[in-house]
Amino acid sequence: QLQLQESGPRLVKPSETLSLTCTVSGASVTNSGYYWGWVRQPPGKGLEWIGDIYYSGSTYYNPSLKSRVTILVDTSKNQFFLELSSVTAADTAVYYCVRKGAYVAATDDWGPGTLVTVSS
Amino acid sequence: QSVLTQPPSASGTPGQRVTISCSGSSSNIGSNTVKWYQQLPGTAPKLLIYSNNQRPSGVPDRFSGSKSDTSASLAISGLQSEDEADYYCATWDDSLNAFYVFGTGTKVTVL
Repeated sequence: QLQLQESGPRLVKPSETLSLTCTVSGASVTNSGYYWGWVRQPPGKGLEWIGDIYYSGSTYYNPSLKSRVTILVDTSKNQFFLELSSVTAADTAVYYCVRKGAYVAATDDWGPGTLVTVSS
Repeated sequence: QSVLTQPPSASGTPGQRVTISCSGSSSNIGSNTVKWYQQLPGTAPKLLIYSNNQRPSGVPDRFSGSKSDTSASLAISGLQSEDEADYYCATWDDSLNAFYVFGTGTKVTVL
């Protein structure tokens, strides 16, 4: 059974880079037909898609965040990563890592989420 | 600011039917299938509906989805107290570079 677990610093200073890791168990990040990505939710607000990386390596980013976001995969560790640069307080949110099926729409798995606070 | 618009709230008494709308455009709902998520307080969203009207295994048939042109709807029939949650629609948008988008979210309250 697939499990996704986010990890990384819970507190990041303004202007620095937020870095999160999603560790995948029960499936391989190289398996064909899946998007691996990130979604965030500011406290008390709605969901915001950050971006996805396709199993082939193609990346898709939210246009509003594209200049600051990088999503990478480490196949040797079966992990994928989020880097968000030049953070401000507006980037404070619960960050979820997610797997979506490209061909099987019913495939839709989420990690439990991790709260990252941007503050000095 | 989301390109998918939902009403901020909806409510009903136990047993009633509640419907939530999701309004988009030709580049998103008009061109792609829609998913619906349920988010209980303090938890990650859970897939409720995919491909406009399909339920994953384990989702009660009280939940149903539909799509017409550039809008989609989620209906909850026989409303129960455990249905009190936030609900989000989502789909891909094909304008310029493809991106995924969530609706603004609807809080369902069981009175």
